Amino acid sequence: AQTVTQSQPEMSVQEAETVTLSCTYDTSESNYYLFWYKQPPSRQMILVIRQEAYKQQNATENRFSVNFQKAAKSFSLKISDSQLGDTAMYFCAPAGKSTFGDGTTLTVKP
Amino acid sequence: DAGVIQSPRHEVTEMGQEVTLRCKPISGHNSLFWYRQTMMRGLELLIYFNNNVPIDDSGMPEDRFSAKMPNASFSTLKIQPSEPRDSAVYFCACNKGGPHEQYFGPGTRLTVT
Repeated sequence: AQTVTQSQPEMSVQEAETVTLSCTYDTSESNYYLFWYKQPPSRQMILVIRQEAYKQQNATENRFSVNFQKAAKSFSLKISDSQLGDTAMYFCAPAGKSTFGDGTTLTVKP
Repeated sequence: DAGVIQSPRHEVTEMGQEVTLRCKPISGHNSLFWYRQTMMRGLELLIYFNNNVPIDDSGMPEDRFSAKMPNASFSTLKIQPSEPRDSAVYFCACNKGGPHEQYFGPGTRLTVT
């Protein structure tokens, strides 16, 4: 069974600032991926970034990066130079199968 | 590729009516997932198929819900009879199987009055 905890239901950040969204999980999988998805007001779910659990290097995708702590089962998302278009709900999803966190609603303020 | 296609995008129906939601996954993606999203319960997995075979339907709320995947390019989620508490956004997603990222459709917003 998998459980995912996103402890921050809502967050806000000023434009151009940096924000970190937290996620902890529990999984029985031995080899897995982790994902962050973004759901803007249009409600389309979009993949933001992926991390392969066997890789020690943290994934980076432009302004988005993760801090993956495998032993602690922690997988946080850092957004640098926040933009208004980053306003969305963000979901953490380990193993890419079926379990998503409850989401963090991020508002970027001008 | 057109991505995952869902129809209709919006559905408004009266309680007791049958509702059928449709999904066309990305070609070559052999796993398909149906989710329901509500404010109260978040994003819930209802059922997923692998190679057209239902693998896990433990999330299907009750017998009023049924899902089929007659071939690799089409799936339906049916609610009969519908109830107001079924009002939600229903997403279809697919992937290439295993622990890979999922590609989501635009969702169907269902309102049951």
